[in-house]
Amino acid sequence: GENVEQHPSTLSVQEGDSAVIKCTYSDSASNYFPWYKQELGKGPQLIIDIRSNVGEKKDQRIAVTLNKTAKHFSLHITETQPEDSAVYFCAAPKGGGATNKLIFGTGTLLAVQP
Amino acid sequence: AAGVIQSPRHLIKEKRETATLKCYPIPRHDTVYWYQQGPGQDPQFLISFYEKMQSDKGSIPDRFSAQQFSDYHSELNMSSLELGDSALYFCASSSTAEYGYTFGSGTRLTVV
Repeated sequence: GENVEQHPSTLSVQEGDSAVIKCTYSDSASNYFPWYKQELGKGPQLIIDIRSNVGEKKDQRIAVTLNKTAKHFSLHITETQPEDSAVYFCAAPKGGGATNKLIFGTGTLLAVQP
Repeated sequence: AAGVIQSPRHLIKEKRETATLKCYPIPRHDTVYWYQQGPGQDPQFLISFYEKMQSDKGSIPDRFSAQQFSDYHSELNMSSLELGDSALYFCASSSTAEYGYTFGSGTRLTVV
């Protein structure tokens, strides 16, 4: 089955710096890779996702890169702001398909120091 | 835009009681998922339904059951509650027509 590993578990950066979170997955059939931001007491919110047919996707200060050969994908946040502080989860579906269950990474607690 | 609606937001139950959590997916989404998230942990998959039929099952205790109704809403029934069942329970929905899972705001269950 799918196994998703996420690093680091905690990340502290100064406001304005960049933050990078990395994930690896095991199921070569996985073809969709979302990133979620979760604030305390709230549900995970999708912030960006990437399909396996592209290597990079960018949305303003957030970007995701995918290396299918190495089976890893990364979240890049530039010009971090205090409101970026949250727990970030990567995920990958078990196998391909739009409705397969998501397997989550263990999360990264990002703290942006003002 | 409509989101995934979960109710109740908070629930306090005593040990050995039962609880029912409800989830209303985004309109036209055909798949519903239930996840359990303990403190400081990542969401763990419990069960999913596609077109009202169970499509996958994860680490869901036998004391729990779930179903999806004709209007696509889903309910998670939890019996003989234990202290360890205290967690956030999230519902998510998706569509076979497009990638992307949307999560609800969750139900915080506290068993005392």
